[in-house]
Amino acid sequence: GENVEQHPSTLSVQEGDSAVIKCTYSDSASNYFPWYKQELGKRPQLIIDIRSNVGEKKDQRIAVTLNKTAKHFSLHITETQPEDSAVYFCAARSVGNNDMRFGAGTRLTVKP
Amino acid sequence: DSGVTQTPKHLITATGQRVTLRCSPRSGDLSVYWYQQSLDQGLQFLIQYYNGEERAKGNILERFSAQQFPDLHSELNLSSLELGDSALYFCASSPGKFTEAFFGQGTRLTVV
Repeated sequence: GENVEQHPSTLSVQEGDSAVIKCTYSDSASNYFPWYKQELGKRPQLIIDIRSNVGEKKDQRIAVTLNKTAKHFSLHITETQPEDSAVYFCAARSVGNNDMRFGAGTRLTVKP
Repeated sequence: DSGVTQTPKHLITATGQRVTLRCSPRSGDLSVYWYQQSLDQGLQFLIQYYNGEERAKGNILERFSAQQFPDLHSELNLSSLELGDSALYFCASSPGKFTEAFFGQGTRLTVV
């Protein structure tokens, strides 16, 4: 089945700086790549997603890039704010298996 | 509110017991996913159903089982519970196979 690796496991940035989280996947048949934000004690919430027919997608301060050849995708957060502090999970969904596998998560801390 | 409802929110039970966790997907969503999240850990994929049929299986123990009913709600049954089964159990639903998934608030299971 699909295997998703996520780096780094922890990330600390100053308010206003950018943050980048990277994920790689193993199944070349994967075609859907969502990112979730999970605050302490709460449910994961979808913040942005990308499908395999596009290379980049942007929503205000958040962007995701996808490199299908290299099988990796990244989350970019610009002008970070303290409320961006949370655990971020990437995921990949395979056409064949139809399941959705998650990376191990990145704990982002934005220092004011 | 994601529209995905999980009950109960909290559950405390003894080792060796059996419990049932319930998930009501968003109206119209055909896919239901179950995930286990241990303390400060990632989201481990357990099982997925689509329109009543099992579609994908992850690292689900033989002591665990699930099903999706004709009204599309799903139940996760955990038996012969062990201390290590203590975790947050999330379900997520999506309209179809290749669309975004939304999480319920989770059931926190504590085995004592």
